[in-house]
Amino acid sequence: GAGVSQTPSNKVTEKGKYVELRCDPISGHTALYWYRQSLGQGPEFLIYFQGTGAADDSGLPNDRFFAVRPEGSVSTLKIQRTERGDSAVYLCASSLNSPRGGPPDTQYFGPGTRLTVL
Amino acid sequence: AQKVTQAQTEISVVEKEDVTLDCVYETRDTTYYLFWYKQPPSGELVFLIRRNSFDEQNEISGRYSWNFQKSTSSFNFTITASQVVDSAVYFCALSEVYNTNAGKSTFGDGTTLTVKP
Repeated sequence: GAGVSQTPSNKVTEKGKYVELRCDPISGHTALYWYRQSLGQGPEFLIYFQGTGAADDSGLPNDRFFAVRPEGSVSTLKIQRTERGDSAVYLCASSLNSPRGGPPDTQYFGPGTRLTVL
Repeated sequence: AQKVTQAQTEISVVEKEDVTLDCVYETRDTTYYLFWYKQPPSGELVFLIRRNSFDEQNEISGRYSWNFQKSTSSFNFTITASQVVDSAVYFCALSEVYNTNAGKSTFGDGTTLTVKP
């Protein structure tokens, strides 16, 4: 079956602009995660959705970052007033479920969106 | 706070050599999960293994094996008889269960493995 897909694969923007990054999870997966990966580093957690609601947004670096998942499937990560430091690969992952207090289901990652802020 | 350290930034071996990738973690939870992922040049993270904190048995899957030692907070990964296709960045990750949502993972900075023919 289809895996996690992310669009666009590459995004180049200018400092101060607004960008939207899209994630299509595996069908039927209720949990969705966004991570950010800077060059030479491991993925850094941003936000986690269980269904439509953001269950944990503690990783969002500041209020310029926002994510939605209105119908419990596709998610959009939105970045306002982009800064050069936002340049990174943004990874999305989905899993069947990840209840608090329970074992985490395997996360399946998408190919990522490479964001470059000039 | 949880932390994962992969001290080896880069490793280079010749094909057929065995190689061990180190992972040391820190957590205050008694229940947690450890993972290894492979990130080939294409960029997509591929899940390799999940291990919970109560299961210290070593695991073998083909040429891959994992050594979990709670006493030293380590979860090392060994590739036996390495192949060129094993060249990738390997990440170790930790998920606490009760202090945070299950599945929120903290990753190490990865070890880049190059296997030369």
